[in-house]
Amino acid sequence: GAVVSQHPSWVICKSGTSVKIECRSLDFQATTMFWYRQFPKQSLMLMATSNEGSKATYEQGVEKDKFLINHASLTLSTLTVTSAHPEDSSFYICSACQGIEAFFGQGTRLTVV
Amino acid sequence: AQSVTQLGSHVSVSEGALVLLRCNYSSSVPPYLFWYVQYPNQGLQLLLKYTTGATLVKGINGFEAEFKKSETSFHLTKPSAHMSDAAEYFCAVIQNNNDMRFGAGTRLTVKP
Repeated sequence: GAVVSQHPSWVICKSGTSVKIECRSLDFQATTMFWYRQFPKQSLMLMATSNEGSKATYEQGVEKDKFLINHASLTLSTLTVTSAHPEDSSFYICSACQGIEAFFGQGTRLTVV
Repeated sequence: AQSVTQLGSHVSVSEGALVLLRCNYSSSVPPYLFWYVQYPNQGLQLLLKYTTGATLVKGINGFEAEFKKSETSFHLTKPSAHMSDAAEYFCAVIQNNNDMRFGAGTRLTVKP
């Protein structure tokens, strides 16, 4: 199957700093990628849909100025958590679709201290 | 809008016993349905999917699921649980534009 690579796997940052997470489709092109957030022992919540060459579409309640998404190429989408705070600590997962099948990155564990 | 309901946030079975994880969906049109497994601190791995055709779908690791339109269900089963099956399982449905929505998840525990 197709491969989606997410980097880094985990990151610890100080409160107030920004963190960038990359999501790459390694062997296919993805005009659309998705960013999810998962709290401990909970399901994945869709944050935003990343569209290549255009603005991302954010779900209700997600601050677009805090979670900056850039999809500059057909194989790369980035999520930047700006001015991170401890409540932003979570597991972030991206996915990209090939046909109707979604392929997921391995996730990024963000801890803000 | 489509939604997914997983009954039972936690299921515990003995090794060798039947595994049954429940999933119901709400949709006005035939959906695409998926089951994913997630191990701790990892992404999601596809177990199986239903798009069209045969309603009984076989997946990896001995899992299978049956799409029952009359019951709006897509329950996941495995005849004999293995210790390595212990994980979190998510049922999902595709919405428009490949927007995937997930159920709340079911944590499967396998007792020796």
